[in-house]
Amino acid sequence: DAEITQSPRHKITETGRQVTLACHQTWNHNNMFWYRQDLGHGLRLIHYSYGVQDTNKGEVSDGYSVSRSNTEDLPLTLESAASSQTSVYFCASSMASEPYNEQFFGPGTRLTVL
Amino acid sequence: GQNIDQPTEMTATEGAIVQINCTYQTSGFNGLFWYQQHAGEAPTFLSYNVLDGLEEKGRFSSFLSRSKGYSYLLLKELQMKDSASYLCAVMDSNYQLIWGAGTKLIIKP
Repeated sequence: DAEITQSPRHKITETGRQVTLACHQTWNHNNMFWYRQDLGHGLRLIHYSYGVQDTNKGEVSDGYSVSRSNTEDLPLTLESAASSQTSVYFCASSMASEPYNEQFFGPGTRLTVL
Repeated sequence: GQNIDQPTEMTATEGAIVQINCTYQTSGFNGLFWYQQHAGEAPTFLSYNVLDGLEEKGRFSSFLSRSKGYSYLLLKELQMKDSASYLCAVMDSNYQLIWGAGTKLIIKP
């Protein structure tokens, strides 16, 4: 069965360290997204990609970067982790043909920055 | 600015009906989504409305009024497993999803 996975599921790191969160999908979807979810806020878009070599900044992209070298993966890198980046991170994907197709979400990564 | 409003928390009784409202102000409109999210889990798709009216899908229905910037999710014959957060999201003119903070629904026996 097609799926979308994230790793690690939990991560504790220190301020200033570089952290990379992995996202892998086997849906063969062209669209991939990274969100963060914090209490009292809706999901907020960090970065997104509509295909290989395509990346775009979302609403809260400062301090984050992504790269898309193949269809299946969109890793999210925190260049220098800050306490404000403690959050739950969700990766999602959707079909390319219709932008308003439903997004399928990974299980999430809980990141704590000390 | 863009804004999605929905109640923070609601409580309902098993077997009853509950309506979760969502109002929105966005730059453009390309549809409204409802997702369900159980605690500690990923959001999962429930419904999509792009035209005015009611869409029914089993025990769940979703309504949209574009002129009023308003939607609701109606859950019938509530079950304990319906205890979850319900997220309203609008796709704006750039085809980006703008998300509400979610409504936590508590079901009591």
